[in-house]
Amino acid sequence: EPEVTQTPSHQVTQMGQEVILRCVPISNHLYFYWYRQILGQKVEFLVSFYNNEISEKSEIFDDQFSVERPDGSNFTLKIRSTKLEDSAMYFCASRAGQLNTEAFFGQGTRLTVV
Amino acid sequence: AQRVTQPEKLLSVFKGAPVELKCNYSYSGSPELFWYVQYSRQRLQLLLRHISRESIKGFTADLNKGETSFHLKKPFAQEEDSAMYYCALSKGGSEKLVFGKGTKLTVNP
Repeated sequence: EPEVTQTPSHQVTQMGQEVILRCVPISNHLYFYWYRQILGQKVEFLVSFYNNEISEKSEIFDDQFSVERPDGSNFTLKIRSTKLEDSAMYFCASRAGQLNTEAFFGQGTRLTVV
Repeated sequence: AQRVTQPEKLLSVFKGAPVELKCNYSYSGSPELFWYVQYSRQRLQLLLRHISRESIKGFTADLNKGETSFHLKKPFAQEEDSAMYYCALSKGGSEKLVFGKGTKLTVNP
């Protein structure tokens, strides 16, 4: 069964460093998302991406964040200068189309900023 | 603004007992409601969505627009039902999901 794949599963980085979280959505899916979950808190929407552009972003998704789909398969989330409060589990998700509302999630990347 | 409330952080029942995980939502339009489940060390996966009105693994959920609720129910809990359960809302189509904080269900033998 096709799956959304995220790498790495765990990333430790120093405050101020840039990180890139990678996701390979299910092929032929058109809508892509990043969510995050700070420990003990709810899963929060960060950004949605369709047709090579951001379709919606939350207030969390400030100038430090960016997304890219560089090669038609990977979908990346970049954090330019990480802060301690960026420590969280980051989930990628994809959907096949607008009428198919099931979102398939990756297993997550645990980001720890020290 | 959309909001999803799951009032119980933890829920513990014995095997064979009925279980109900509560979910209330706040949204002025016609939402789509979902239940996602996360078993230990596994990814979030869709359990139910209200538009399909199906029963998965013995679980059902009915959308009550009057009470703005979408409670998840199972008449006889099994140990393998132990997991985190998240209620989520979407405005529809490809719109983002808004999650509740989740309820950790433990089914004891």
